[in-house]
Amino acid sequence: NAGVTQTPKFRVLKTGQSMTLLCAQDMNHEYMYWYRQDPGMGLRLIHYSVGEGTTAKGEVPDGYNVSRLKKQNFLLGLESAAPSQTSVYFCASSYPWNEQFFGPGTRLTVL
Amino acid sequence: AQSVTQPDIHITVSEGASLELRCNYSYGATPYLFWYVQSPGQGLQLLLKYFSGDTLVQGIKGFEAEFKRSQSSFNLRKPSVHWSDAAEYFCAVDVTGFQKLVFGTGTRLLVSP
Repeated sequence: NAGVTQTPKFRVLKTGQSMTLLCAQDMNHEYMYWYRQDPGMGLRLIHYSVGEGTTAKGEVPDGYNVSRLKKQNFLLGLESAAPSQTSVYFCASSYPWNEQFFGPGTRLTVL
Repeated sequence: AQSVTQPDIHITVSEGASLELRCNYSYGATPYLFWYVQSPGQGLQLLLKYFSGDTLVQGIKGFEAEFKRSQSSFNLRKPSVHWSDAAEYFCAVDVTGFQKLVFGTGTRLLVSP
């Protein structure tokens, strides 16, 4: 099992460009999450999903959109990237009432 | 405001010495509590969790944590640190039951020879 995988691993964008980060899990987990990690701030929840076709806002959702069309995939979109979105993005998945499994992260730089 | 506090940004411990990492939370009810570890360039791995019951929980890699309701704390301990324990440690809480985790800012552990 690959667990939780994230694509791409690194990306550099210019301000105003758009991109989509892909998260895939092969553990049949119901819940999936997107976090961002910034120095000195820990991880903050952007959006999450409790099942296929459902999404909800987390702590810092502004500037991001998500979709969960398939149970195993959770997409994070940036429609118009800003330098403030430079961060490391982590995806995670879990069964209800259980631990989260994290992907290896995507390092995004917005110039 | 609801929050999770890890007061130590960095801690240096000699190999073989004991370790305690502090975590305090400010929520009205008892949340679900977690400790995660992150090695450089890696994702997070769960060390241990507390949902209910015995307030002393055992985790992987020889770690344990004690929940103290009166102090709103969930401190992580290890009796003898190994060089491979050098990493960043995050305390997290879930007050919703939907695994919406709120993380502390992390403590970076350095292990000296």
